[in-house]
Amino acid sequence: KNQVEQSPQSLIILEGKNCTLQCNYTVSPFSNLRWYKQDTGRGPVSLTIMTFSENTKSNGRYTATLDADTKQSSLHITASQLSDSASYICVVSGQAGNNRKLIWGLGTSLAVNP
Amino acid sequence: SAVISQKPSRDICQRGTSLTIQCQVDSQVTMMFWYRQQPGQSLTLIATANQGSEATYESGFVIDKFPISRPNLTFSTLTVSNMSPEDSSIYLCSVDTVGVYTFGSGTRLTVV
Repeated sequence: KNQVEQSPQSLIILEGKNCTLQCNYTVSPFSNLRWYKQDTGRGPVSLTIMTFSENTKSNGRYTATLDADTKQSSLHITASQLSDSASYICVVSGQAGNNRKLIWGLGTSLAVNP
Repeated sequence: SAVISQKPSRDICQRGTSLTIQCQVDSQVTMMFWYRQQPGQSLTLIATANQGSEATYESGFVIDKFPISRPNLTFSTLTVSNMSPEDSSIYLCSVDTVGVYTFGSGTRLTVV
């Protein structure tokens, strides 16, 4: 069964600290993996997109890694800010260009405290 | 990436009534997607809307309950019909532009 599992479910850190969120998937075939940030009451916003051949991709203070062999990805947030408080969702695509093949994780809820 | 204007942003509705959600995109797109996000759950695709043809619904979703219109390449509506408290969710529209999925800001629906 195609699944995307994220951990931890929730996380609280202090402003300025780093953190790493995990994503394990069993989706096959695999096309790409995306990380989204979803603020409360808003739609998801794309952070990174990685294909099979990419191991790492950065977007400012966000760095995503992908190990396609072990089917694992991580999202590392550096020097966290209060505005990083949000849900971070891992999404795996089973077929390029086909939105019906997107498998969504439940997300990690991150709270950054002052 | 595209910019999507979605409205209303939230609404509280009586059971048995219907609500129509609108999404306007700032560029022409072939497909628009409608999602539901129930409390504590991940996003679930409701249907894919193509201009000029009937929407394609995912398993568990039917046209009578969630009729969709797609009159042109920049606009779509989703209606939640005959609402019950179980329909209380966030509804989101989305488009795919150059492989990047952009989402509207969502409609938070509460059915009482």
